[in-house]
Amino acid sequence: AQKITQTQPGMFVQEKEAVTLDCTYDTSDQSYGLFWYKQPSSGEMIFLIYQGSYDEQNATEGRYSLNFQKARKSANLVISASQLGDSAMYFCAMRGSNYQLIWGAGTKLIIKP
Amino acid sequence: GAVVSQHPSRVICKSGTSVKIECRSLDFQATTMFWYRQFPKQSLMLMATSNEGSKATYEQGVEKDKFLINHASLTLSTLTVTSAHPEDSSFYICSADRAIIRNYGYTFGSGTRLTVV
Repeated sequence: AQKITQTQPGMFVQEKEAVTLDCTYDTSDQSYGLFWYKQPSSGEMIFLIYQGSYDEQNATEGRYSLNFQKARKSANLVISASQLGDSAMYFCAMRGSNYQLIWGAGTKLIIKP
Repeated sequence: GAVVSQHPSRVICKSGTSVKIECRSLDFQATTMFWYRQFPKQSLMLMATSNEGSKATYEQGVEKDKFLINHASLTLSTLTVTSAHPEDSSFYICSADRAIIRNYGYTFGSGTRLTVV
């Protein structure tokens, strides 16, 4: 069965520090995709970054990077130089075999000034 | 970029009435639309997958007669909550599959907060 695990229910980080949000996954598929989304209190889902299972390099998008360790089945999100506006829920997700997204439980990130 | 417009953003309705939520893709064709429900402080729960021109596929435990999904065109999918009850109060959000896009991202609507009184 395919599964996404986020073990950090909540995190407090000082502004301007880097933060790593953990995500591990389980799948028997050879081809899969991993996503990170941000959900602020307004409720919208904001796409942050994508990593394909065959991508040899870690994905990066501005201050976001994905630390992809295929053998360990982990896809941690790294946010560099955190900002107050980064406070939100963060979800890790995996594209399943029928193109549905399988979601982790989420991590609530709070950036302290 | 691609946008999915979801309306209404908030709705309060009386118990026993029906509520329709619309998701419209503004600048692309959404052949597949996913409908989610989200309880406070929880993750998204997939309710159903709809493909244009065919019947929606509902997840186990989701009442298809209560949550009617219509995907009549490539730009519009609707979710109707029929005979709503307070336990149907939740955050509902749609997502269109944009697999052809480079980043393989899904585009989400802004969500609908439904309160049944």
